[in-house]
Amino acid sequence: DTGVSQNPRHKITKRGQNVTFRCDPISEHNRLYWYRQTLGQGPEFLTYFQNEAQLEKSRLLSDRFSAERPKGSFSTLEIQRTEQGDSAMYLCASSLDLGGQEAFFGQGTRLTVV
Amino acid sequence: EDQVTQSPEALRLQEGESSSLNCSYTVSGLRGLFWYRQDPGKGPEFLFTLYSAGEEKEKERLKATLTKKESFLHITAPKPEDSATYLCAVHQGGKLIFGQGTELSVKP
Repeated sequence: DTGVSQNPRHKITKRGQNVTFRCDPISEHNRLYWYRQTLGQGPEFLTYFQNEAQLEKSRLLSDRFSAERPKGSFSTLEIQRTEQGDSAMYLCASSLDLGGQEAFFGQGTRLTVV
Repeated sequence: EDQVTQSPEALRLQEGESSSLNCSYTVSGLRGLFWYRQDPGKGPEFLFTLYSAGEEKEKERLKATLTKKESFLHITAPKPEDSATYLCAVHQGGKLIFGQGTELSVKP
């Protein structure tokens, strides 16, 4: 296993379109996290899963955002009706458990909404 | 509300010029403080986890320390390849809360 994998690496979309990103975590990791990062800022928490259960979703997250993790393996993050303010780097991370285990990040998906 | 604040926002050093980065945190019941390195256009790369005041960890030219209110990342005799953004985060409610990062630039 080479680590957390995210696809695509880059996505350019027109405002109003829907986009979906995929994250494949490290195989034995049961926790999976989605973060968003804009230039000059630290990653901002969006949501996380333990196995297939979505345990928390940020209050800042619009209803246009939805995430799934079927069967507790890979995860998808969908953004509906994209807006220019959605332009950011979307990061996925996985861990065994954050009660003592580190989270490892993927390379991210850079979204540009034009 | 739990908060993580890093300073300075940016730091420019000459090669070999040692310095420290600061991470101040307010969190009820610290369950871990994490340091990451991030290169432009890439995801954060894990460096250290610290759990209790007085704990120290080292990796090459980097040493992380922890007190009850802050953590320091000491960089000894940095090289240009140490240039990156350094992020700290605390564990809160099952997830990591990040600071805004310190952008380090090391000139030869």
